[in-house]
Amino acid sequence: EEQLVESGGGLVQPGRSLRLSCAASGFRFEDYAMHWVRQTPGKGLEWVSSISWNSGSTDYADSVKGRFTIFRDNAKQSLYLQMNSLREEDSALYYCARDQYQLMVYSMDVWGKGTTVTVSS
Amino acid sequence: DIQMTQSPSSLSASVGDRVTITCQASQDIGNYLTWYQVKPGKAPKLLIYDASSLKTGVPSRFSGSGSGTDFTFTISSLQPEDFATYYCQQYDSLPPAFGQGTRLDIK
Repeated sequence: EEQLVESGGGLVQPGRSLRLSCAASGFRFEDYAMHWVRQTPGKGLEWVSSISWNSGSTDYADSVKGRFTIFRDNAKQSLYLQMNSLREEDSALYYCARDQYQLMVYSMDVWGKGTTVTVSS
Repeated sequence: DIQMTQSPSSLSASVGDRVTITCQASQDIGNYLTWYQVKPGKAPKLLIYDASSLKTGVPSRFSGSGSGTDFTFTISSLQPEDFATYYCQQYDSLPPAFGQGTRLDIK
């Protein structure tokens, strides 16, 4: 079964850092681009960041550019999101999602259940 | 940036009903549109990609149509497991953008 499992969420103070992880199983991780998408009650789903299969290309939403870094370790079948300078508006349920293709097409065919990030003092 | 306007924002229906959700893009996106089903505590599911292609394994009661700026998602006969929130998403250009969602609940 193709599966993505996120971890690393939690409660963190504004300005601090957090690293999310996503473990993939049931498919060849290196064959696909990957994404982070977040969900909040008020704004619904919001794309955060993406990375190509070989880490050659990355993209970020303007709201996180310069603060978040996406990276992957194909040998470990894992995706990561390093989140620095966190703000209260970054509070959300963060999903890891697989692209349908190696390059970033942004059609996401496998998702995890998400990990919750709460930024609050 | 492309804006996606989804309607209605909520919908009450009964098992067996036919349900339609619309999604409008602020500019031409060709057929680069997906539809997702989201339930609390579960992984979101891709149902439709390229506006009208049914993902393998998804029941045929789900369908999508449209191109350019106007798109439609239909459930032909609602089943109990279909009560969820549905989102459209464009992937024609960056940033990929989602509609605001349609919450489908039981009448």
